[in-house]
Formats: sequence, C-alpha cells, structure tokens
Amino acid sequence: QKEVEQDPGPLSVPEGAIVSLNCTYSNSAFQYFMWYRQYSRKGPELLMYTYSSGNKEDGRFTAQVDKSSKYISLFIRDSQPSDSATYLCAMSRTGANNLFFGTGTRLTVIP
Amino acid sequence: GAGVSQTPSNKVTEKGKYVELRCDPISGHTALYWYRQSLGQGPEFLIYFQGTGAADDSGLPNDRFFAVRPEGSVSTLKIQRTERGDSAVYLCASSPRTGVAEQYFGPGTRLTVT
Repeated sequence: QKEVEQDPGPLSVPEGAIVSLNCTYSNSAFQYFMWYRQYSRKGPELLMYTYSSGNKEDGRFTAQVDKSSKYISLFIRDSQPSDSATYLCAMSRTGANNLFFGTGTRLTVIP
Repeated sequence: GAGVSQTPSNKVTEKGKYVELRCDPISGHTALYWYRQSLGQGPEFLIYFQGTGAADDSGLPNDRFFAVRPEGSVSTLKIQRTERGDSAVYLCASSPRTGVAEQYFGPGTRLTVT
C-alpha cells in the first residue's frame, strides 16, 4: 500500500463549479500537507500549505486536513478553465525533508 | 525573482550512456532536492542536500545515480550506464532552509533513454 493515495481521475467539471480533490494517507507521522498544481510539461507549483489539522483559505482555494481520518481535501470555488491541470497532494513528517506525493488528479474545467 | 532552473529541458540518450542534469536553485535557498516523476505518477524523492553535503540519499535507486553540490548552490545529478527504465522527468526543488516543508520546483528535465 502506498503511503499517499489519490484518485487519478480524470475529473471534468463545467466552468463555475466547485471542485473537491482528496487524498488519504496511512502514516500518522505526517504533519505538513501541501497541494501542488502541475500544468502539462511543467514543474509542480505550490498552491497551499498547512500544518497539522484545520482549514486554510486562499482566494478561491480552501485546504482542509482531518488528521483523525487521515484525509485531506482541496476545494476550488468558481472553477475556471485556467484551473485545468493535475493537482498533486504532498505531505511530510516533522524533521524530515522529503515529500511524499499522491499520483495526482487530472482536472479539466470546461468553458 | 528567478525560480528554480533546470538544464537541459530535454535529454535523449542511448542506453548505456552517461548523463548529467543540472539544477540552479532559488538564490539564497540552502536546501535542494531531486525527485523523479514517471508518467502518470507523483514525484518520488531521490536525494536532499543541505548546503554542500547530501543529507539524505535514501531515494537513489542504485549506485548508477549520484549527485553533487560542490559550492552549495548549483547541483548536478549524474546517471551512469543509463537504462530505459531511467526515462522520466527529473525535478529539482529548493527551500529556504532545512525543516521547511514548502519546496519550490523547477520545470524538470525530461530524460529519454532509447
């Protein structure tokens, strides 16, 4: 079993929809949680970063962490065609320096 | 400011050849990481540098892979006797200091071994 599980999709939504992306994990030592956006043939771009449990909001993006369920989510409100990309969740342990990534969910927002 | 840069952007090589991939981190970032991303997968950790030294190389798949960072800035990932299974995108990331979870990635080098 991989340490981080993510549904690869693909996921297609109409413009303006609310998008929900999720990851589960098995290692309870993970404390730092990140979401990256990756456009085709580009490197991952850091979108959101949270520590431990709770919510964090940045513009149209909201990240949630539920450590009791080992479940993290990224919500995108008022989705735009420019949001079409692969979204990767990533996490790490305290004191560790490498990130563990999910496989990525490919999102398409249809105009 | 300038982000992480990687060269070349694409590299095609024959099986058995030697390749070097270069990473130039964000200025002032002391921590540098290499990851490998296969098609349809998330990046997988290879090696981490703090300054000039490799602090964690546990992700290197075998002894054909080696990386250096002689002056604590630019890093080179070296692959000897390349195999077709080495074909992937090699990503470099940097962060401002150790223990910081946020890592900033470069565009990657797409390596194809024929």
